[in-house]
Amino acid sequence: EDQVTQSPEALRLQEGESSSLNCSYTVSGLRGLFWYRQDPGKGPEFLFTLYSAGEEKEKERLKATLTKKESFLHITAPKPEDSATYLCAVQPIGGRGSTLGRLYFGRGTQLTVWP
Amino acid sequence: DTEVTQTPKHLVMGMTNKKSLKCEQHMGHRAMYWYKQKAKKPPELMFVYSYEKLSINESVPSRFSPECPNSSLLNLHLHALQPEDSALYLCASSHQGTRELFFGEGSRLTVL
Repeated sequence: EDQVTQSPEALRLQEGESSSLNCSYTVSGLRGLFWYRQDPGKGPEFLFTLYSAGEEKEKERLKATLTKKESFLHITAPKPEDSATYLCAVQPIGGRGSTLGRLYFGRGTQLTVWP
Repeated sequence: DTEVTQTPKHLVMGMTNKKSLKCEQHMGHRAMYWYKQKAKKPPELMFVYSYEKLSINESVPSRFSPECPNSSLLNLHLHALQPEDSALYLCASSHQGTRELFFGEGSRLTVL
């Protein structure tokens, strides 16, 4: 069964304290792995797509990396405005809706950055 | 422009009411989705429309009725809901054949 596990569930960082969030996945084949940011009561905001092991993407203080079994979201020198829940999702190859963007989400990591 | 617009932002309804949630996108996407999200849980897929045809129904109760009048609009008709249906309802869209979903802000539904 396809599974996505994110850790830690919650992370508190002081402003400027870099860290990483983990997303491990078990799928028969990976079509794509996605990172989203979600603020309370809002819809997920798309951050990155990663397609193959070794791939890296960067945006401001965020950098996403991908291996064959997991992805990391590295946050460098975070600021309070980076506080949010970060969701990881995978799209497996094959199965119903595999060509339709059907995603399997992890439970997310709730990040709090305090001044 | 990656905007998906959902209305209303908040909805309170009784168990005997009939209401609708609306979603609109003007990105030319041909796949549209309804997700349901409970507090501190990940989004759960409900329905997928591809080229205005229902492609996936994740065994959603019939009190939820989706409709896709055209390629830009997606509705979710609600009837005889239960309090446990209270959640954030998210609409998303994507290009056919690509993989990124773009979500709206969501409609917060409370069933009394």
